[in-house]
Amino acid sequence: AQSVTQLDSQVPVFEEAPVELRCNYSSSVSVYLFWYVQYPNQGLQLLLKYLSGSTLVKGINGFEAEFNKSQTSFHLRKPSVHISDTAEYFCAVSSGSNFGNEKLTFGTGTRLTIIP
Amino acid sequence: GAGVSQSPSNKVTEKGKDVELRCDPISGHTALYWYRQSLGQGLEFLIYFQGNSAPDKSGLPSDRFSAERTGGSVSTLTIQRTQQEDSAVYLCASSLKHRGGEAFFGQGTRLTVV
Repeated sequence: AQSVTQLDSQVPVFEEAPVELRCNYSSSVSVYLFWYVQYPNQGLQLLLKYLSGSTLVKGINGFEAEFNKSQTSFHLRKPSVHISDTAEYFCAVSSGSNFGNEKLTFGTGTRLTIIP
Repeated sequence: GAGVSQSPSNKVTEKGKDVELRCDPISGHTALYWYRQSLGQGLEFLIYFQGNSAPDKSGLPSDRFSAERTGGSVSTLTIQRTQQEDSAVYLCASSLKHRGGEAFFGQGTRLTVV
């Protein structure tokens, strides 16, 4: 079984300040890791993903995340946030089954609020 | 279309009525997933389709919930005898096989049971 923990339910940040959204996971098998963003009244949009290779992955809108296997973490970072980054952010894992079922297990989400 | 399309975008129904939610995935995507997003439960997996088959239905909360997929494309999620606890946003996602879970989501259907 897999699980994802996002400890921070809400994160307020001043505009142009850096931000880190924390994500920890547990799994008995190798995992693939994702961050999705949900803007108000919209579906989920993929920000970035870690499947293999370099542990530092870059995504859209200036976001990046680092996979740390020893700490089972996949924290999301951005050096300077903008008002338009206000949204809910979800960390997710899948086991990438060879049988094709790659369903996602989501964290509870972190609401990022940018303060002008 | 270019993305995953879901209809209706909003549905208000009376308790006890049946509802059908539709998902039109990205053309060529063989995998299709339904998720539910609610305040109390967050984002939950409901069912997975590969082609027209549903090898994983483990997330369906009760036998009032069913889903089908035809022609390896459009999927319909049916909820019979709706209850107030069924109120949620139902999200559909599609992906290519063996992409590790990278999925493209629709805008969702907001279901309100009154």
